Order: sequence, then structure tokens, then C-alpha cells
Amino acid sequence: QVQLVESGGGVVQPGRSLRLSCVPSGFPFIATYGFHWVRQAPGKGLEWLAFSWNDGSTVDYADSVRGRFTLSRDNPKTTLYLQMNSLRVDDTAVYYCVRDGPHWDLDFWGQGTLVTVTS
Amino acid sequence: QSALTQPPSVSGSPGQSVTISCTGTTSDVVTYNRVSWYQQPPGTAPKLLIYEVSNRASGVPDRFSGSKSGNTASLTVSGLQAEDEADYYCILKTTAGTWVFGGGTKLTVL
Repeated sequence: QVQLVESGGGVVQPGRSLRLSCVPSGFPFIATYGFHWVRQAPGKGLEWLAFSWNDGSTVDYADSVRGRFTLSRDNPKTTLYLQMNSLRVDDTAVYYCVRDGPHWDLDFWGQGTLVTVTS
Repeated sequence: QSALTQPPSVSGSPGQSVTISCTGTTSDVVTYNRVSWYQQPPGTAPKLLIYEVSNRASGVPDRFSGSKSGNTASLTVSGLQAEDEADYYCILKTTAGTWVFGGGTKLTVL
């Protein structure tokens, strides 16, 4: 079955960096899919962060993270990364890796990885 | 900038039906069927329920249905069950290529 497994979360001080990873599996032609990162602060709603097309060449970011976060994909594009720099307390959240679906939707979500930014 | 507004909470008794609204501020909701709905039970990741306004994702019971009228999309849960208690989110893919999330609605089964 489709799986998206995130890792790399943890506790970090404000101003520091962290890199999250996402490994998709269980479906063919992984390299042909686009993927998103979405986060959820404790007790809050969902917030879209970033998106990468299947070829990794086009990436879009939410204003809240543009310039601080960088989404990348390895070759042969089977692992996604979210490099998070200059972390702030309000970046504390569960971060989800999400597959871009074929029907203007987000069809599969990972289980999430918790990032806590605290001094 | 686009926005989607959902009621913070709705509730219903087992067996009843409830409807969650999702009202958009731009013509994207009116003109295109790019709204999807997600269920997030407590402590779990969101799961796709409905895509393109009214199509159920694979494995989703037919108690869940979606519709649209004007700039408002709606999710109806019929025959409420205790397991339906969760947060529900609507999401829109705009023609500008951005993703807009509703604020979420907490469904309580009384």
C-alpha cells in the first residue's frame, strides 16, 4: 500500500536548522508524482508549506517559509527533503509529507514528524 | 487572496446527518470543481474523503457525500457513527496554482 514515511523531527533551538526526509513507497512511478509538505501546529489547523513537481525543477512555497525552507528531491527522486533554516518558535508543528493526487487533491499523507522549536 | 471558511464545530447524534460548509471568497470555488475534503481523527494524519467536490475516495463509505452550491462546498455525513468524530478540512487548488486550506471543523458525535 502507499506509504509516505517522514523522519528527522526533533527538538531544536530557535535560529537553528533541521532537515526532514520523506520516503515514498508502495506505488509505481514514484518519480512521476509531485509532493507537498503540510504542517499542523499543536491544536491548530493544517497549513500548506511547499510543493515540488515530479521533476523537482519547480518548487513553490508559502509566504511563511519562503527564504527559510528549501524542498529538494534526490536522484532518482525517491526521497524528498525539507531543509528548515532559521527556525522560530512558531515553526513548532507536526510536519506531513503528502502526495499530489490526480484530481486536484492531496491523496496520501504520511504519519507526520514532530518538530519542536524551543529555547 | 483566496480563503475558505468553515464553521469551527458541528455536532449530531448517532444516526443523524450533519453538513459541514466551506465557503470560498473567490470565483475558483464557483467555477471549478477543485475542492476536496479530508478527515482527521484525533492523533492521526488527515485522510482524503472527497475529491473534485463530490467524488468519494477509494474505500470511503457512501455515508459521506459532497456537493457545491455557488461559492459554498459542503460535506454531508449521514447515519452518524461514533467513529466519525474527527476534524474535517476542505482544501482548494486555485487556478493560480496555490493551495488554500479551510480552518477545519470539529465534528462531535453526541
